[in-house]
Amino acid sequence: DVKVTQSSRYLVKRTGEKVFLECVQDMDHENMFWYRQDPGLGLRLIYFSYDVKMKEKGDIPEGYSVSREKKERFSLILESASTNQTSMYLCASSLLGLQETQYFGPGTRLLVL
Amino acid sequence: AQKITQTQPGMFVQEKEAVTLDCTYDTSDQSYGLFWYKQPSSGEMIFLIYQGSYDEQNATEGRYSLNFQKARKSANLVISASQLGDSAMYFCAMREGGGAQKLVFGQGTRLTINP
Repeated sequence: DVKVTQSSRYLVKRTGEKVFLECVQDMDHENMFWYRQDPGLGLRLIYFSYDVKMKEKGDIPEGYSVSREKKERFSLILESASTNQTSMYLCASSLLGLQETQYFGPGTRLLVL
Repeated sequence: AQKITQTQPGMFVQEKEAVTLDCTYDTSDQSYGLFWYKQPSSGEMIFLIYQGSYDEQNATEGRYSLNFQKARKSANLVISASQLGDSAMYFCAMREGGGAQKLVFGQGTRLTINP
């Protein structure tokens, strides 16, 4: 079974802190994604990566950056956390292909005070 | 522009009844894929069913089926014989053909099954 793990289930940070969210997948997937989920808005794509060291902006990249140094690991970085970045963050991975589903991690609920 | 629309924020259904969750989409691509995911209160996203734009038959997976009406650009999820464990958020998503591998999600529908 595909396993996608995220470094924390819950995280509390202060405004202005640098925040790292880590995601690791164990199925050699090319694609990795970071979403944020907010009530009434569904999942919105922040960044995605289709290969090591490659990254593409999603729909809401402002205030975020990413890093993919190894194929299995995709990190989301909040350079200076703000209260409007309080949200649920979901990582996902998939193989290449139109019909390939994305496999999701358990999510990180981030609270920025 | 919104590409996936789920117009039902919440639905309440009696146990053992069938339920239809609506999803409409917008794309100019001829090749695309449609997905449904379930998100229980625990938070994990669970893949339910997939429909390709060129698939002639409606997709089915156990109690889940996808009512695909291409001309109307709708991809409704049908759950037969609902169970209490079906209570969750449900998301419709689309991937367009071409280079990008990303999914675009709808706003979700919260389904509650009453005993």
